[in-house]
Amino acid sequence: QKEVEQDPGPLSVPEGAIVSLNCTYSNSAFQYFMWYRQYSRKGPELLMYTYSSGNKEDGRFTAQVDKSSKYISLFIRDSQPSDSATYLCAMTYLGGGNKLTFGTGTQLKVEL
Amino acid sequence: GAVVSQHPSRVICKSGTSVKIECRSLDFQATTMFWYRQFPKQSLMLMATSNEGSKATYEQGVEKDKFLINHASLTLSTLTVTSAHPEDSSFYICSAREGARSSYEQYFGPGTRLTVT
Repeated sequence: QKEVEQDPGPLSVPEGAIVSLNCTYSNSAFQYFMWYRQYSRKGPELLMYTYSSGNKEDGRFTAQVDKSSKYISLFIRDSQPSDSATYLCAMTYLGGGNKLTFGTGTQLKVEL
Repeated sequence: GAVVSQHPSRVICKSGTSVKIECRSLDFQATTMFWYRQFPKQSLMLMATSNEGSKATYEQGVEKDKFLINHASLTLSTLTVTSAHPEDSSFYICSAREGARSSYEQYFGPGTRLTVT
């Protein structure tokens, strides 16, 4: 079993839709949870990070962590074609040797 | 924001040759740099962690004699793929972390597409 599971998609939505992207994980030691956006043939770009459980909002993006269920989500409101990319979740913990464990990424396409 | 560059962005080499990829932090001092590889539709897999002035720490299953990492300065790390084979073809991405920042504060380079023929 992979430490981090993420549906690879592709996920196709119309412009303006609310997008929900999710990851589950098995290692209860994970404390820091990140979402990265990766455009084709580019390196990942950090979108959001959260520590422990709860919600965090930044503009159109909301990150949600439920440690009891080992489940994290990223919501994108009013999705735009420019949001079309692969979204990777990643997680780590103190004492984890600075190692990020990534999900496989979900490919999102926002259509006009 | 912090900027990390990689060079080259794309390289094609013949089987058996060696290829060097550079990773630079342009506006901060990177005490730690990370090297990842990414296969199509797959996750980023950490290959090794390098700290400036120290030997790199390789992940299990990564051959240190094949993937030579040098982190000689606070702004430059290099990955050399020695005696490359077609199965080494992949997207190699570096990231850099400044000083005592948390591990999530890694800034990624744009990646290097390696094709071994």
